Amino acid sequence: KAGVTQTPRYLIKTRGQQVTLSCSPISGHRSVSWYQQTPGQGLQFLFEYFSETQRNKGNFPGRFSGRQFSNSRSEMNVSTLELGDSALYLCASTLDPSGNTIYFGEGSWLTVV
Amino acid sequence: GESVGLHLPTLSVQEGDNSIINCAYSNSASDYFIWYKQESGKGPQFIIDIRSNMDKRQGQRVTVLLNKTVKHLSLQIAATQPGDSAVYFCAVPRAGGGADGLTFGKGTHLIIQP
Repeated sequence: KAGVTQTPRYLIKTRGQQVTLSCSPISGHRSVSWYQQTPGQGLQFLFEYFSETQRNKGNFPGRFSGRQFSNSRSEMNVSTLELGDSALYLCASTLDPSGNTIYFGEGSWLTVV
Repeated sequence: GESVGLHLPTLSVQEGDNSIINCAYSNSASDYFIWYKQESGKGPQFIIDIRSNMDKRQGQRVTVLLNKTVKHLSLQIAATQPGDSAVYFCAVPRAGGGADGLTFGKGTHLIIQP
């Protein structure tokens, strides 16, 4: 059974650009959440989707957005990139929001120059 | 909101010894706790979890202990091996189920000495 798959694994963007990251959850998992990991702030919750609806959102500006498709795949978008957005972006999936085990992907490394 | 803290940013142990990584949480209403292991360049890997109706849970070479009185949990790794070298995080749900978002501690980097 494949794990959580994230693409691309590495990317470099310029300040002011926008970026879209993709996540395919474990087969059968319907809840997808996103996290940002930086050396200074650690792992921080961005948002969570279930049944194509954003259920929860962390404390991030509106430049960070996401969506979920009917097949549970998810994308997150960051617009008007800033240097501080350089981070590892992690996607996680679980069966549903009721508190089952949460599994993480390998992440997408974003560098903003 | 919930906060989670780890006692030591780095822990160095001899191969074959037991390791103990500690974590403290702030919300006494927290009822679910998870430990993750993150190796360099990889995403966090689920190790073990425990619910608040338990004090102890064992896995393969790992044990999690929960002390709700002092809001403290620990991860014990028996007979530490080189492959155990990683950063270990404890995490608690922000609210409700884990899918509502997890709050992570800063992580303890476990270093294995040969």
